[in-house]
Amino acid sequence: DTGVSQDPRHKITKRGQNVTFRCDPISEHNRLYWYRQTLGQGPEFLTYFQNEAQLEKSRLLSDRFSAERPKGSFSTLEIQRTEQGDSAMYLCASSSTGFGNTIYFGEGSWLTVV
Amino acid sequence: GQQLNQSPQSMFIQEGEDVSMNCTSSSIFNTWLWYKQDPGEGPVLLIALYKAGELTSNGRLTAQFGITRKDSFLNISASIPSDVGIYFCAGWGAQKLVFGQGTRLTINP
Repeated sequence: DTGVSQDPRHKITKRGQNVTFRCDPISEHNRLYWYRQTLGQGPEFLTYFQNEAQLEKSRLLSDRFSAERPKGSFSTLEIQRTEQGDSAMYLCASSSTGFGNTIYFGEGSWLTVV
Repeated sequence: GQQLNQSPQSMFIQEGEDVSMNCTSSSIFNTWLWYKQDPGEGPVLLIALYKAGELTSNGRLTAQFGITRKDSFLNISASIPSDVGIYFCAGWGAQKLVFGQGTRLTINP
């Protein structure tokens, strides 16, 4: 399968711990996006990369959040000093160049902060 | 910021019935996408619309891009149990994809 893959699918962590999620986009896609989704809501944009450059970050992305895409392929999203409010599904998506191009999502990484 | 209003929020229908849901915005979008999401999974793309007035079908699903570019609708004909899930509209705006709140579809056999 050559779709967007995310790891881990589920993570339970204690408040205050750091967590990291990984995303492998569709191989020919140069754009990669991170979204967050809480129960009963639609996905909310966090940030996106074109190749290795992070071009936009949402106000939702506090200083405790950092995303990287060092070689323009896979990406990581790290949350430091997790809080209970960080509990959500973190979705990664990818697309080819050009806004309005179709975005394909991964299966998501569920985070539960206890 | 840009927001999409999706309605209805939920639908309870009998198997075999047709379904219609829509999405409106105060802003113009150049692309509309419709996704379906099952519990615990990521959104799966159903239909993409790129041109105002465009009507596109994917099996029993039909979606249209409104002429004003501020709305879109999705129809599902002859619903079956596997259509159960949450349907999201999404529009390209301000260099990112903006989502509606979703329509939860429940089907009674």
